[in-house]
Amino acid sequence: GENVEQHPSTLSVQEGDSAVIKCTYSDSASNYFPWYKQELGKGPQLIIDIRSNVGEKKDQRIAVTLNKTAKHFSLHITETQPEDSAVYFCAATPHGTSYGKLTFGQGTILTVHP
Amino acid sequence: NAGVTQTPKFQVLKTGQSMTLQCAQDMNHNSMYWYRQDPGMGLRLIYYSASEGTTDKGEVPNGYNVSRLNKREFSLRLESAAPSQTSVYFCASTQAGVGDIQYFGAGTRLSVL
Repeated sequence: GENVEQHPSTLSVQEGDSAVIKCTYSDSASNYFPWYKQELGKGPQLIIDIRSNVGEKKDQRIAVTLNKTAKHFSLHITETQPEDSAVYFCAATPHGTSYGKLTFGQGTILTVHP
Repeated sequence: NAGVTQTPKFQVLKTGQSMTLQCAQDMNHNSMYWYRQDPGMGLRLIYYSASEGTTDKGEVPNGYNVSRLNKREFSLRLESAAPSQTSVYFCASTQAGVGDIQYFGAGTRLSVL
């Protein structure tokens, strides 16, 4: 099955700096890559996603890039703010599923210091 | 619009006790999922239901059973709880297919002593 590795496990930045989280996946047939943000005591919430026919997608201060050849994708957050502090998860669809099954990375705890 | 609602929010069990975690969604979604979240391991799929009347095993199904009661409700049952099942459990739902957003509930924090 699909395997998703996420790095780093923790990331600490100063307010205003950029943050980058990287994920690699194993199944070359995976075609959908969402990123979720989980705030303390809450469930994960989608913040951005990318499909395999697109190399980059941007939404205000967040962007995701995808390299299908290398089988990795990354989340970029610019001009970080304290409210960006949370746990971030990447995910990928396993091959052969048509029911939205996702394989998640291990998560990155992002801390933005004021 | 409540989205995905999970009950209870917290639960403490003794080893061997049973309980059912409830999940309901009001978005008319076809597919529903149960995950468990453990430190350093991300979210792991326990069971899923692609549509009303169907259920399938995920990555870590042992020790759990599920019921898709109707289109809205998907329950997770622990027949004989073990300390290894101490975790945070999330229910999620999506309309269908690859590339559809999964919406998560707030989670149930379960401790098995």
